[in-house]
Amino acid sequence: KAGVTQTPRYLIKTRGQQVTLSCSPISGHRSVSWYQQTPGQGLQFLFEYFSETQRNKGNFPGRFSGRQFSNSRSEMNVSTLELGDSALYLCASSGGPLTDTQYFGPGTRLTVL
Amino acid sequence: DQQVKQNSPSLSVQEGRISILNCDYTNSMFDYFLWYKKYPAEGPTFLISISSIKDKNEDGRFTVFLNKSAKHLSLHIVPSQPGDSAVYFCAATPNTGNQFYFGTGTSLTVIP
Repeated sequence: KAGVTQTPRYLIKTRGQQVTLSCSPISGHRSVSWYQQTPGQGLQFLFEYFSETQRNKGNFPGRFSGRQFSNSRSEMNVSTLELGDSALYLCASSGGPLTDTQYFGPGTRLTVL
Repeated sequence: DQQVKQNSPSLSVQEGRISILNCDYTNSMFDYFLWYKKYPAEGPTFLISISSIKDKNEDGRFTVFLNKSAKHLSLHIVPSQPGDSAVYFCAATPNTGNQFYFGTGTSLTVIP
């Protein structure tokens, strides 16, 4: 079974630009969560989608948004990028036999210059 | 507000010895706990989990202990191997909406 895939793996943007990241969950998984990882902060929860609906949301500004498509693929968008948005963005899917376990993709490394 | 805390950013252990990684949480609604291992340039991979109805779960060299009264869990790796060198994250969920809370991670180095 293919794992969680994320594209692109690396991205360099400048302040003020916007960016869209993509995540394809494990086949059959309907829940997709997004996390931001920065040094010293661990994984900070952004939001979770289930069946095309945002079910949970973390404490991030409205510049961070997401959506989920009918095939469970998800996108995350960050508008008006700031230097502090430089981070590893991880996507995780769940919903297999171990419903309480999330399976992570390799992440997208975003650098904002 | 960090609801899951890993107070040791790093840990070094000799090969063959026991590694003990600790994690504390504040939310009494958490009832399912997980440990993930992360290598550089990869996403975290699931290692082992424990439900709040148990106080111990074992899987090969990995054992997780849960002390609900102290809101504390620990991961024991015995014997430690150089390939175990990675960052370990603990996570918790109240299991009411699939929201997971992660600690800041502990970087384990196993010295050959």
